Amino acid sequence: GAVVSQHPSRVICKSGTSVKIECRSLDFQATTMFWYRQFPKQSLMLMATSNEGSKATYEQGVEKDKFLINHASLTLSTLTVTSAHPEDSSFYICSAESAGRSYNSPLHFGNGTRLTVT
Amino acid sequence: RKEVEQDPGPFNVPEGATVAFNCTYSNSASQSFFWYRQDCRKEPKLLMSVYSSGNEDGRFTAQLNRASQYISLLIRDSKLSDSATYLCVVNPTPGGYNKLIFGAGTRLAVHP
Repeated sequence: GAVVSQHPSRVICKSGTSVKIECRSLDFQATTMFWYRQFPKQSLMLMATSNEGSKATYEQGVEKDKFLINHASLTLSTLTVTSAHPEDSSFYICSAESAGRSYNSPLHFGNGTRLTVT
Repeated sequence: RKEVEQDPGPFNVPEGATVAFNCTYSNSASQSFFWYRQDCRKEPKLLMSVYSSGNEDGRFTAQLNRASQYISLLIRDSKLSDSATYLCVVNPTPGGYNKLIFGAGTRLAVHP
């Protein structure tokens, strides 16, 4: 089945630094990738939709200048948290969708990145 | 009103018990529905899709009631390994993007 790899799985950084998270589709070409964030005991919240070769679409309330998304190839999307602050500490998860996948197909997720900003 | 609402739980049940989770969704145009399972500090994993006629996969049965905008998941003969958070997930965009809306999850704890 579809495999999505996310790296790193865990990162601890100091306030003010930037962190890059990678999301790769390993056995298919992902025209669309989704970035989610999950705070403790809360549901996954969609942050942005990333389309290969074009600008990402951000959900309301998500700062595009703070969460930079790049989807430069059909197998890789990156999320960069710029100038991270402690309130950005969260579980970030990506998912990927292949071309031709129907709307009622489930998504498969990367293994997530736990970000802690000190 | 939240787009997808679930029983928050936790549900604490003994092994072998039958447990049911409920979920309601607000967008009547929603077309696809799923149950995902999320273990602590892990990514969600698909448990099963939910079809209009209801569907079963082993010990798990999912039901959909479009008129009431209600989804359920029944787990029979609970195992210790069923302990997890169960996420009700809806795609509110008919025929469109696979943009999923997640419920906050229902936590299940199965004890010996």
